[in-house]
Amino acid sequence: AQTVTQSQPEMSVQEAETVTLSCTYDTSENNYYLFWYKQPPSRQMILVIRQEAYKQQNATENRFSVNFQKAAKSFSLKISDSQLGDTAMYFCAFIPRDDKIIFGKGTRLHILP
Amino acid sequence: DADVTQTPRNRITKTGKRIMLECSQTKGHDRMYWYRQDPGLGLQLIYYSFDVKDINKGEISDGYSVSRQAQAKFSLSLESAIPNQTALYFCATSGPPSYNEQFFGPGTRLTVL
Repeated sequence: AQTVTQSQPEMSVQEAETVTLSCTYDTSENNYYLFWYKQPPSRQMILVIRQEAYKQQNATENRFSVNFQKAAKSFSLKISDSQLGDTAMYFCAFIPRDDKIIFGKGTRLHILP
Repeated sequence: DADVTQTPRNRITKTGKRIMLECSQTKGHDRMYWYRQDPGLGLQLIYYSFDVKDINKGEISDGYSVSRQAQAKFSLSLESAIPNQTALYFCATSGPPSYNEQFFGPGTRLTVL
């Protein structure tokens, strides 16, 4: 079965610090997509960043970057210069070839003033 | 205006009642999805539809049914609601150019007493 594991249920960091959220996945597919979604208290699901498995270069979006290790099936999210507005639930997600997205259970991130 | 809308946004109902949650989209996407979110469990796929004539069960379809009335509309029904169906429900869509990105509605919080 294809699974996504987020090993950190909850994390807290001080504002302006850098934080890394972990994600591992299990699949026998070679081509797939990985995502990080943010869910703030408003509960809206917001796409933060996307990585295509066939691309070796790690994706970046402003303060957000990933460390994609395909052989290790690892896809961590780094948030630099964290801001209070980054406080949210973060979900790692994976879409294999058949297009049904599989979510991890989430990491609740608190940015402390 | 939001591209993916859900009605109602919040609903409280009683055990045994029939409930319909509606989803509409203006993105022109052909694929639509219904997810359920429970605390600590991430999002789980209930049903999905790749076009108007295509309906497929997801991981947790028992107790639910769906109707794809048009390309833009995808409804989720609980025929006889029970308390363990209390959850946050999300509709999502995907379409060209990239079916691998899903766009989420704002969610419906359903409470079954």
